[in-house]
Amino acid sequence: EADIYQTPRYLVIGTGKKITLECSQTMGHDKMYWYQQDPGMELHLIHYSYGVNSTEKGDLSSESTVSRIRTEHFPLTLESARPSHTSQYLCASSEHRGGYGYTFGSGTRLTVV
Amino acid sequence: DAKTTQPPSMDCAEGRAANLPCNHSTISGNEYVYWYRQIHSQGPQYIIHGLKNNETNEMASLIITEDRKSSTLILPHATLRDTAVYYCIVRVGTASKLTFGTGTRLQVTL
Repeated sequence: EADIYQTPRYLVIGTGKKITLECSQTMGHDKMYWYQQDPGMELHLIHYSYGVNSTEKGDLSSESTVSRIRTEHFPLTLESARPSHTSQYLCASSEHRGGYGYTFGSGTRLTVV
Repeated sequence: DAKTTQPPSMDCAEGRAANLPCNHSTISGNEYVYWYRQIHSQGPQYIIHGLKNNETNEMASLIITEDRKSSTLILPHATLRDTAVYYCIVRVGTASKLTFGTGTRLQVTL
């Protein structure tokens, strides 16, 4: 039973559209993360948050933005989708600092046509 | 962060132990070794972590050499469902931002 939820699971959208990928967790974790992964490739951290009203950019530059208004919710927004944004987006949360016990969602597979 | 080196792929027969090696020769004293796996394109799953002592849980065992320069993840009785990419990550215990490398693709076969 998943404690971190991502919606939608799949999304096909036209170029130029604004989209928001949803991520919610029910574990009360302060720390949340967004990763991007192309098929067969490495995961890259694009955004993270250590708590409400705290967001930082990750190791890979991304045109997406995030917000953290509530502890349980960490949405990712693309203001104008492009084909280069086609990828899988994975959300994660953790209770602890360090690498222990990250919980990942099932991901959103985005295709921009 | 200490860099890790893992073989790109390994095969294992179902029912046998899968031993996945990881080299981290530049590890520092306050860095932990973490293992995650990613089945197909699902989100990665935490397996186990350790500092210097060997660790065991319901999923796997982690053996860290005395000099801490390498470690081995052991899946004692591999099943087809253990086919996945396994990531060895070295991080300071208080740091966040987990960084994934290329990992080892483990194929469990009949």
